[in-house]
Parts: sequence; structure tokens; C-alpha cells
Amino acid sequence: GNSVTQMEGPVTLSEEAFLTINCTYTATGYPSLFWYVQYPGEGLQLLLKATKADDKGSNKGFEATYRKETTSFHLEKGSVQVSDSAVYFCALSETQGGSEKLVFGKGMKLTVNP
Amino acid sequence: KAGVTQTPRYLIKTRGQQVTLSCSPISGHRSVSWYQQTPGQGLQFLFEYFSETQRNKGNFPGRFSGRQFSNSRSEMNVSTLELGDSALYLCASSLFYREGDEQYFGPGTRLTVT
Repeated sequence: GNSVTQMEGPVTLSEEAFLTINCTYTATGYPSLFWYVQYPGEGLQLLLKATKADDKGSNKGFEATYRKETTSFHLEKGSVQVSDSAVYFCALSETQGGSEKLVFGKGMKLTVNP
Repeated sequence: KAGVTQTPRYLIKTRGQQVTLSCSPISGHRSVSWYQQTPGQGLQFLFEYFSETQRNKGNFPGRFSGRQFSNSRSEMNVSTLELGDSALYLCASSLFYREGDEQYFGPGTRLTVT
């Protein structure tokens, strides 16, 4: 079946550092790709998405580009803040039985220190 | 617009008991999905309902079941609880949940089985 592999961490960065979280996927066809973020004690929030090859998703300074040739969707941010401390999940949307479901990576915990 | 709500937020049960979790989707959303989150297995899809019909089911034993009501509210039930069922159970809603559609997650119900 389809799968997502991502950096698991944990990762600790200083404020204003550059962030990259690698994510690669295995899938039949070209699924939609997502990055979700989970803050402590909360559910998941959609950070950004891309629905086709070469699409770039962006939100709150985060960016990720759907690369078909390398089956990747790496998340980047040029300057992280303390408030970015959270767990980040890469996911793809899989069609099954006329419906969709999300297949997630293991998640990566990011801590940003002032 | 109110977000996805889940009740209860925390629950402690004993092995062998059964439990029912509730999810109220965003108003107007007709699709509700359930996910289990554990440290070992990560986020795993349980099932998805649309207009009171289960459209999709993950690889979980029959002890895990769910349903959706005419107002789109959903419940999931776990019978004969096992220690391994301890997890955060997340509910997500979407308007129709088609390819690429965003899902909105609730804060989750933390189930502890002792």
C-alpha cells in the first residue's frame, strides 16, 4: 500500500534557524500531499497542501513543493520561532472504496529555543 | 463557525470494558473520519462515514465500530478493551471528502485502559 517516510527527530533548533523536514512517499498515481502540525494537547491542523506535481504549498512562512520525480514533499521554513514548537506530520491522501483516507508519516517533534 | 468537538476529552477504562466516543463535526460537514494515534504506531485510519454510511474502513479488529447519525454526528465504540487500545482518538470532518479536500481535526479523546 501507500506509505510516507519522514524524519522523526526529535529536533531542537534555535530561534531564527532554518528548518527542513524531509518527507518522501510511495504511492500509485499522484496523491494529494499534506503537512499537518500538532501543538501540545491539541488535534491536528492543516499547515499546507499540494494536489499535483510541481505545486507549492505555503502558509505561515512554511513551504513545501510536490516533487514527482523524487516522490518528495519536504517542508521548509527560513526562520523558525518558539511558537513553531510542535509535532509535524507529512501525509498523503489515498483513495479507497470511493472515499479518501490520510496516510501519515511517524511525525517529527520540533522544539525551538529562544 | 464552531470547530470539530469531541467528548469526552479524557477517559479511563478497565480492560474488558467497552467505551463510546462522540464527535460533532463542523456544521454542514457530512464526512467524519476517525484516527487512532499511539506512540508506537503513529496515526492510523479507523473508518470514514458519509451521510450515515461507512465508506471506508482501516485494518482494525471488529471490536472497533462506529456509526453516523442523520445530523452527521458520529460515535465510535470499542468493545472488550485491551491495554493496547490506550491512545488518542482523533475525529476529523470534511464537507464531502473528495481528493485533495481538507479535513478539520478535533482535539481528540485520550483513552487510557488500565
